[in-house]
Amino acid sequence: DADVTQTPRNRITKTGKRIMLECSQTKGHDRMYWYRQDPGLGLRLIYYSFDVKDINKGEISDGYSVSRQAQAKFSLSLESAIPNQTALYFCATKGRALESTQYFGPGTRLTVL
Amino acid sequence: QKEVEQNSGPLSVPEGAIASLNCTYSDRGSQSFFWYRQYSGKSPELIMSIYSNGDKEDGRFTAQLNKASQYVSLLIRDSQPSDSATYLCAVNPGGSNYKLTFGKGTLLTVNP
Repeated sequence: DADVTQTPRNRITKTGKRIMLECSQTKGHDRMYWYRQDPGLGLRLIYYSFDVKDINKGEISDGYSVSRQAQAKFSLSLESAIPNQTALYFCATKGRALESTQYFGPGTRLTVL
Repeated sequence: QKEVEQNSGPLSVPEGAIASLNCTYSDRGSQSFFWYRQYSGKSPELIMSIYSNGDKEDGRFTAQLNKASQYVSLLIRDSQPSDSATYLCAVNPGGSNYKLTFGKGTLLTVNP
Protein backbone atom coordinates (compact mmCIF):
# COMPACT_ATOMS: atom_id res chain seq x y z
CA ASP A 1 0.00 0.00 0.00
CA ALA A 2 1.17 3.52 -0.78
CA ASP A 3 2.48 5.56 2.15
CA VAL A 4 0.81 8.78 0.94
CA THR A 5 -2.52 8.60 -0.85
CA GLN A 6 -4.60 11.29 -2.50
CA THR A 7 -8.22 11.30 -3.59
CA PRO A 8 -9.52 11.92 -6.13
CA ARG A 9 -6.76 11.32 -8.67
CA ASN A 10 -8.52 13.26 -11.37
CA ARG A 11 -11.33 15.79 -11.16
CA ILE A 12 -13.07 18.01 -13.65
CA THR A 13 -15.31 20.69 -12.23
CA LYS A 14 -16.93 23.98 -13.14
CA THR A 15 -16.15 27.52 -12.13
CA GLY A 16 -17.69 28.42 -8.78
CA LYS A 17 -17.93 24.87 -7.44
CA ARG A 18 -16.49 23.84 -4.09
CA ILE A 19 -13.87 21.13 -4.31
CA MET A 20 -12.08 19.13 -1.63
CA LEU A 21 -8.89 17.18 -2.21
CA GLU A 22 -7.94 14.67 0.43
CA CYS A 23 -4.60 13.31 1.57
CA SER A 24 -3.86 10.43 3.92
CA GLN A 25 -0.53 9.05 5.08
CA THR A 26 0.70 6.00 6.94
CA LYS A 27 4.30 7.20 7.39
CA GLY A 28 3.63 8.56 10.86
CA HIS A 29 4.96 11.98 9.87
CA ASP A 30 3.67 15.04 11.65
CA ARG A 31 4.45 17.53 8.88
CA MET A 32 2.13 17.65 5.88
CA TYR A 33 2.09 19.92 2.84
CA TRP A 34 -0.03 20.87 -0.16
CA TYR A 35 1.65 22.00 -3.39
CA ARG A 36 0.44 22.84 -6.84
CA GLN A 37 2.50 22.32 -9.95
CA ASP A 38 2.06 24.24 -13.18
CA PRO A 39 4.13 23.90 -16.35
CA GLY A 40 7.09 26.27 -16.22
CA LEU A 41 6.35 27.36 -12.65
CA GLY A 42 7.54 24.36 -10.72
CA LEU A 43 6.18 23.30 -7.33
CA ARG A 44 4.58 26.03 -5.25
CA LEU A 45 3.63 25.62 -1.60
CA ILE A 46 -0.02 26.31 -0.76
CA TYR A 47 -0.28 25.34 2.93
CA TYR A 48 1.66 23.30 5.43
CA SER A 49 0.91 21.86 8.84
CA PHE A 50 3.06 20.69 11.75
CA ASP A 51 0.20 19.06 13.61
CA VAL A 52 -3.57 19.22 13.98
CA LYS A 53 -3.43 22.62 15.68
CA ASP A 54 -0.65 24.21 13.66
CA ILE A 55 -1.48 25.24 10.10
CA ASN A 56 0.47 27.76 8.07
CA LYS A 57 0.05 29.56 4.77
CA GLY A 58 2.51 28.96 1.99
CA GLU A 59 3.39 31.25 -0.87
CA ILE A 60 0.09 30.92 -2.78
CA SER A 61 -2.68 30.33 -0.23
CA ASP A 62 -5.25 32.77 -1.64
CA GLY A 63 -8.34 30.94 -2.85
CA TYR A 64 -7.53 27.80 -0.84
CA SER A 65 -8.23 26.53 2.67
CA VAL A 66 -7.10 23.42 4.52
CA SER A 67 -8.15 21.17 7.36
CA ARG A 68 -5.95 18.83 9.36
CA GLN A 69 -8.50 16.32 10.64
CA ALA A 70 -5.92 14.04 12.26
CA GLN A 71 -2.19 13.51 12.18
CA ALA A 72 -2.66 11.30 9.14
CA LYS A 73 -5.18 13.41 7.19
CA PHE A 74 -4.82 16.79 5.54
CA SER A 75 -7.47 18.17 3.16
CA LEU A 76 -7.29 21.04 0.69
CA SER A 77 -10.43 22.94 -0.30
CA LEU A 78 -11.17 25.30 -3.12
CA GLU A 79 -14.21 27.22 -1.89
CA SER A 80 -15.12 28.60 -5.31
CA ALA A 81 -12.98 27.10 -8.04
CA ILE A 82 -11.70 29.26 -10.89
CA PRO A 83 -10.02 28.19 -14.15
CA ASN A 84 -6.53 29.36 -13.12
CA GLN A 85 -6.65 26.79 -10.32
CA THR A 86 -6.36 24.11 -12.97
CA ALA A 87 -3.15 22.32 -12.01
CA LEU A 88 -1.57 19.17 -10.64
CA TYR A 89 -1.86 19.11 -6.84
CA PHE A 90 0.48 17.16 -4.59
CA CYS A 91 0.33 16.32 -0.93
CA ALA A 92 3.63 15.63 0.83
CA THR A 93 4.76 14.53 4.28
CA LYS A 94 7.98 14.94 6.23
CA GLY A 95 9.42 13.61 9.45
CA ARG A 96 10.90 15.80 12.19
CA ALA A 97 14.58 15.13 11.58
CA LEU A 98 16.47 17.86 9.72
CA GLU A 99 17.75 15.26 7.28
CA SER A 100 14.25 13.98 6.58
CA THR A 101 12.95 14.94 3.19
CA GLN A 102 9.45 15.28 1.85
CA TYR A 103 7.58 12.31 0.41
CA PHE A 104 4.92 12.98 -2.17
CA GLY A 105 1.54 11.47 -2.86
CA PRO A 106 0.56 10.46 -6.41
CA GLY A 107 -1.10 13.78 -7.19
CA THR A 108 -4.55 15.02 -8.17
CA ARG A 109 -5.07 16.47 -11.63
CA LEU A 110 -7.73 19.17 -11.28
CA THR A 111 -9.37 20.87 -14.22
CA VAL A 112 -11.68 23.84 -13.67
CA LEU A 113 -13.82 24.69 -16.67
CA GLN B 1 13.83 35.75 -2.38
CA LYS B 2 15.46 32.40 -1.72
CA GLU B 3 16.06 30.83 -5.09
CA VAL B 4 17.09 27.53 -6.56
CA GLU B 5 18.15 27.70 -10.18
CA GLN B 6 18.36 24.89 -12.67
CA ASN B 7 18.87 24.82 -16.41
CA SER B 8 15.44 23.91 -17.77
CA GLY B 9 16.94 21.87 -20.60
CA PRO B 10 16.09 19.73 -22.32
CA LEU B 11 19.36 17.93 -21.78
CA SER B 12 19.78 15.17 -24.31
CA VAL B 13 22.37 12.40 -23.91
CA PRO B 14 22.91 9.08 -25.68
CA GLU B 15 22.31 5.83 -23.87
CA GLY B 16 25.35 4.81 -21.83
CA ALA B 17 26.69 8.35 -21.47
CA ILE B 18 27.05 10.40 -18.30
CA ALA B 19 24.31 12.95 -17.70
CA SER B 20 25.29 15.98 -15.61
CA LEU B 21 22.58 18.05 -13.95
CA ASN B 22 23.38 21.28 -12.16
CA CYS B 23 21.74 23.43 -9.52
CA THR B 24 22.71 26.67 -7.79
CA TYR B 25 21.07 28.12 -4.70
CA SER B 26 21.09 31.57 -3.19
CA ASP B 27 20.69 30.88 0.54
CA ARG B 28 24.03 30.21 2.24
CA GLY B 29 22.16 28.93 5.28
CA SER B 30 20.87 25.89 3.40
CA GLN B 31 22.06 22.64 4.94
CA SER B 32 20.16 19.84 3.21
CA PHE B 33 20.07 19.19 -0.50
CA PHE B 34 17.91 16.76 -2.41
CA TRP B 35 17.45 15.50 -5.94
CA TYR B 36 14.06 14.29 -7.03
CA ARG B 37 13.11 12.54 -10.27
CA GLN B 38 9.69 13.24 -11.75
CA TYR B 39 8.22 11.36 -14.68
CA SER B 40 5.63 13.22 -16.71
CA GLY B 41 2.33 13.40 -14.83
CA LYS B 42 3.74 11.56 -11.83
CA SER B 43 4.86 12.68 -8.39
CA PRO B 44 8.44 13.65 -7.48
CA GLU B 45 10.47 10.73 -6.17
CA LEU B 46 13.55 11.21 -3.99
CA ILE B 47 16.70 9.75 -5.53
CA MET B 48 19.56 11.41 -3.62
CA SER B 49 20.21 13.52 -0.56
CA ILE B 50 23.48 15.21 0.42
CA TYR B 51 24.42 17.30 3.43
CA SER B 52 28.23 17.67 3.39
CA ASN B 53 30.67 19.04 0.85
CA GLY B 54 32.00 16.47 -1.55
CA ASP B 55 30.57 13.52 -3.41
CA LYS B 56 27.96 10.97 -2.44
CA GLU B 57 27.47 7.90 -4.60
CA ASP B 58 24.48 5.58 -4.81
CA GLY B 59 24.56 3.11 -7.64
CA ARG B 60 24.67 4.98 -10.92
CA PHE B 61 23.95 8.30 -9.21
CA THR B 62 26.49 10.68 -7.68
CA ALA B 63 25.54 13.90 -5.95
CA GLN B 64 28.18 16.59 -5.57
CA LEU B 65 27.95 19.51 -3.16
CA ASN B 66 30.10 22.65 -2.96
CA LYS B 67 28.71 24.98 -0.31
CA ALA B 68 31.33 27.66 -0.95
CA SER B 69 30.17 27.93 -4.54
CA GLN B 70 26.52 27.27 -3.59
CA TYR B 71 26.38 24.55 -6.15
CA VAL B 72 24.98 21.03 -6.15
CA SER B 73 25.03 18.60 -9.04
CA LEU B 74 23.79 15.15 -9.97
CA LEU B 75 25.71 12.80 -12.23
CA ILE B 76 23.99 9.81 -13.78
CA ARG B 77 26.41 7.24 -15.15
CA ASP B 78 25.52 4.73 -17.85
CA SER B 79 22.34 6.67 -18.61
CA GLN B 80 19.34 4.57 -19.62
CA PRO B 81 16.18 5.56 -21.52
CA SER B 82 14.30 4.93 -18.28
CA ASP B 83 16.24 7.84 -16.75
CA SER B 84 14.38 10.22 -19.08
CA ALA B 85 12.48 12.49 -16.70
CA THR B 86 12.54 15.91 -15.08
CA TYR B 87 15.03 16.23 -12.24
CA LEU B 88 14.20 18.63 -9.43
CA CYS B 89 16.76 20.12 -7.09
CA ALA B 90 15.50 21.05 -3.61
CA VAL B 91 17.18 22.77 -0.68
CA ASN B 92 16.04 23.71 2.81
CA PRO B 93 16.13 27.53 2.96
CA GLY B 94 17.93 28.96 5.96
CA GLY B 95 18.48 25.50 7.30
CA SER B 96 14.73 25.15 7.77
CA ASN B 97 13.55 21.89 9.28
CA TYR B 98 10.21 22.03 7.56
CA LYS B 99 10.40 23.82 4.20
CA LEU B 100 11.99 22.98 0.92
CA THR B 101 12.59 25.33 -1.97
CA PHE B 102 12.42 23.56 -5.31
CA GLY B 103 14.04 24.45 -8.59
CA LYS B 104 11.85 24.30 -11.68
CA GLY B 105 13.60 21.18 -12.89
CA THR B 106 15.77 20.01 -15.77
CA LEU B 107 14.24 17.76 -18.41
CA LEU B 108 16.60 14.90 -19.29
CA THR B 109 16.15 12.81 -22.40
CA VAL B 110 18.27 9.67 -22.88
CA ASN B 111 18.28 8.56 -26.49
CA PRO B 112 18.59 4.83 -27.28
